[in-house]
Amino acid sequence: GQQLNQSPQSMFIQEGEDVSMNCTSSSIFNTWLWYKQDPGEGPVLLIALYKAGELTSNGRLTAQFGITRKDSFLNISASIPSDVGIYFCAGLGSSNTGKLIFGQGTTLQVKP
Amino acid sequence: NAGVTQTPKFQVLKTGQSMTLQCAQDMNHEYMSWYRQDPGMGLRLIHYSVGAGITDQGEVPNGYNVSRSTTEDFPLRLLSAAPSQTSVYFCASREGISEFFGPGTRLTVL
Repeated sequence: GQQLNQSPQSMFIQEGEDVSMNCTSSSIFNTWLWYKQDPGEGPVLLIALYKAGELTSNGRLTAQFGITRKDSFLNISASIPSDVGIYFCAGLGSSNTGKLIFGQGTTLQVKP
Repeated sequence: NAGVTQTPKFQVLKTGQSMTLQCAQDMNHEYMSWYRQDPGMGLRLIHYSVGAGITDQGEVPNGYNVSRSTTEDFPLRLLSAAPSQTSVYFCASREGISEFFGPGTRLTVL
């Protein structure tokens, strides 16, 4: 089945630094999504990408839908302590079931 | 709107016990899903439903049953709990391509 490989698995950074994470797949996806999960909560949608090459921003977050449709990137600029959490990528494939495939997650810790 | 609600928040079971995790949404979404979250594994789809009366299996359905008698409710049943089912369970409902997740149920099976 379709799988997503997300990296890095974890990051420990200093407040103010920029962060980059990515998601790759051997399969093509039609939509890429990025979620954030705060400790003890369910994931919340950050950004949705709908076409290859698309670059979308949401405040300090910027995400891109790869040209090959097999990858996506998320960047966070000038990190702050509340950026702490787990970031998940998710892909929606070409099948008509509408099932989302999630990456393994990137755990981000920010040192004040 | 309350969004997606899940009960209980925490549960401890003994091996072999059965139980039902409750999920409800008040957004009139047709599409609902159950996921489990394990360290390093991300979110894995257990079962999903595209509307009342329709359910289908996800990636890891074994040991779980679901039903969807109403649009609002989508309970997940563990038939005979096993330690491998220790996990955090999330219910979600969907509008368009956006999943709205509940707060989760943390289940421990001893």
